[in-house]
This record gives sequence, structure tokens and C-alpha cells, in this order.
Amino acid sequence: AQKITQTQPGMFVQEKEAVTLDCTYDTSDQSYGLFWYKQPSSGEMIFLIYQGSYDEQNATEGRYSLNFQKARKSANLVISASQLGDSAMYFCAMREGWSGGSNYKLTFGKGTLLTVNP
Amino acid sequence: DVKVTQSSRYLVKRTGEKVFLECVQDMDHENMFWYRQDPGLGLRLIYFSYDVKMKEKGDIPEGYSVSREKKERFSLILESASTNQTSMYLCASSLGASGTDTQYFGPGTRLTVL
Repeated sequence: AQKITQTQPGMFVQEKEAVTLDCTYDTSDQSYGLFWYKQPSSGEMIFLIYQGSYDEQNATEGRYSLNFQKARKSANLVISASQLGDSAMYFCAMREGWSGGSNYKLTFGKGTLLTVNP
Repeated sequence: DVKVTQSSRYLVKRTGEKVFLECVQDMDHENMFWYRQDPGLGLRLIYFSYDVKMKEKGDIPEGYSVSREKKERFSLILESASTNQTSMYLCASSLGASGTDTQYFGPGTRLTVL
């Protein structure tokens, strides 16, 4: 079974509107972390936001917020007030465990290509 | 700011050649990682290292080896390049702290094997 599932290969949104990118995960660990990265056409991966499994509040970073629903094992990324520069590939990733050795690995989803239309 | 650099943005090699991809980080990070990225498959972990001279296989280590002689440098080696190793290769590093431990990525190397 896939550990990270991103069901939307592509999404379109109008400039200035909000958009939600879906991510579901599968783990039996109690301690884990969820990450979102953005990859513009230039290719570099840019870290956006992090949510820890024990965090009680949903993470927010500027226009990015994470809708974390632990019981449903989902960690959707919400981008508010979309801008043309938000057009990029977005990846959800998970780290299982808390510290040490293999626990630093990330497992990535296959990504969602977001296109922001003017 | 964390800086992760990779030796080449684009590389073209012939089948059977030995290929070295170099990655350097300047933030004294403990962990370093090599991924390959293919369309529709996302990023897949090849190898990682959580200490100098320590390495661990990722999900797709076949056909690759790595070397980490110094903390700041992590090399990916294709002993005998094959056409199915044509891909984008991404290097990353992380501090090695518990909890968040964000990975920071280099710009990537697009390798073509002819």
C-alpha cells in the first residue's frame, strides 16, 4: 500500500481564489511528521509547511495552511488567495518516527500539478 | 540560509560509463539524502547517510552506491550507467534533530544516459 496518496494529478484555480490539495497517509506509528514541498518548473524543492502528529493546532505559514485530520489520516494543503507564482508541482511527504537513523527518511507522494489561471 | 549545491545541472553520459554526482551542504547537517524523480512517480529515496561514513539503503538502491567521507559532501555513484537511470537526481540534507527536521534540497541534476 502506498504510504502517501495524492489523488489529484492536476488542479486548476483562478487567481485570488483558495485551493485545497489533498494528501492522505498510512502509518502505524504514533509519532510522525507531514511535510509539503513546492517544486516550480525550475526544479528546486521548496519546503512550505510542517505538521507533527502531536500538534493540536493546524499548521499555518503565511498563505499556506494545513488541514490536519488525524482520524482520517489526511493532511491537505490549503493555499489562500492564489497567485500566478503558485503554479508548480506540490508534494506531500511523511516522516515516520521521531528521531534517529532511519526515522529521518521522508516518503513522498506522486505530486499534484497546480496551475493558477489569470 | 541553508545551501545545498550539486555539481552539475545537466549531465549526458554513455551506457556503461561510471558517473559521479556530487552534493555539498554548508550548514553542518548530519543527514544527507539522494533521491531520483521520475514523472508520475514522485521522489524515491536511493540512499541516505546519517553520519560520516554511515549509509543506509533507501527504496531503490540497485545500480547505485554512495560515499560520504566528509560531513559536508555526499556522492552518488553509478558504477555502470544504464539508460533506465536517465532521471532527475535530487540531493537533500537535514540537521538531524528530532521532530521537524526539515530536508533542504539542491537544484537537481538532470542525467541523460545514451
